[in-house]
Amino acid sequence: EVQLVESGGGLVQPGGSLRLSCAASGFTFTNSWMNWVRQAPGKGLERVANIKQDGSEKSYVDSVEGRFTISRDNAKNSLYLQMNSLRAEDTAVYYCAKGRGLDVWGKGTTVIVSS
Amino acid sequence: DVVMTQSPLSLPVTLGQPASISCRSSQSLVYSDGNTYLNWFQQRPGQSPRRLIYKVSNRESGVPDRFSGSGSGTDFTLKISRVEAEDVGDYYCMQGTHWPLTFGGGTKVEIK
Repeated sequence: EVQLVESGGGLVQPGGSLRLSCAASGFTFTNSWMNWVRQAPGKGLERVANIKQDGSEKSYVDSVEGRFTISRDNAKNSLYLQMNSLRAEDTAVYYCAKGRGLDVWGKGTTVIVSS
Repeated sequence: DVVMTQSPLSLPVTLGQPASISCRSSQSLVYSDGNTYLNWFQQRPGQSPRRLIYKVSNRESGVPDRFSGSGSGTDFTLKISRVEAEDVGDYYCMQGTHWPLTFGGGTKVEIK
């Protein structure tokens, strides 16, 4: 069964950092483009970052550029999102999603940025 | 970035009746390979999104055939032939033709 399991969310103060992880199983991780998508409370879906299969290409939404870093460890079938200089507007559920077409999603991990 | 505009924002439907959601893109979604990368996602209350339809009209495995997708170019539609209680939730279109991928704002389907 194809599965994505996110972890690492929590409550953090403005200006703080968090590292999200996504553990993948049931498919060939090294063949898949991977994504982070977030959903602020009561809002729609927003692409945060993407990374190519070998990590050679990365892309970010403008609002997180320079603060967030997407990475992957193909040996561990894992995707990461390092989030620095967090702001209140980063509060959201963060989902890991597989492929250019986002065909499989995890259950998400919640990030709350508040003092 | 390509702007995806969904309508309506909210869609109250009677059980057993049809429902239709529109999604329009700010530019054509036909890719150079001839494919149109327009997907539809369902998000039931309290759940993560699930892809229902890919490349305009292809249903994912396990998706009931009462769901259908159609359209071309910049104009797309998701139809539910007979709404059931389990169809309540938010629906999003997403384009993957142009970088970066972008989502529509969502349509909330609810039972009257």
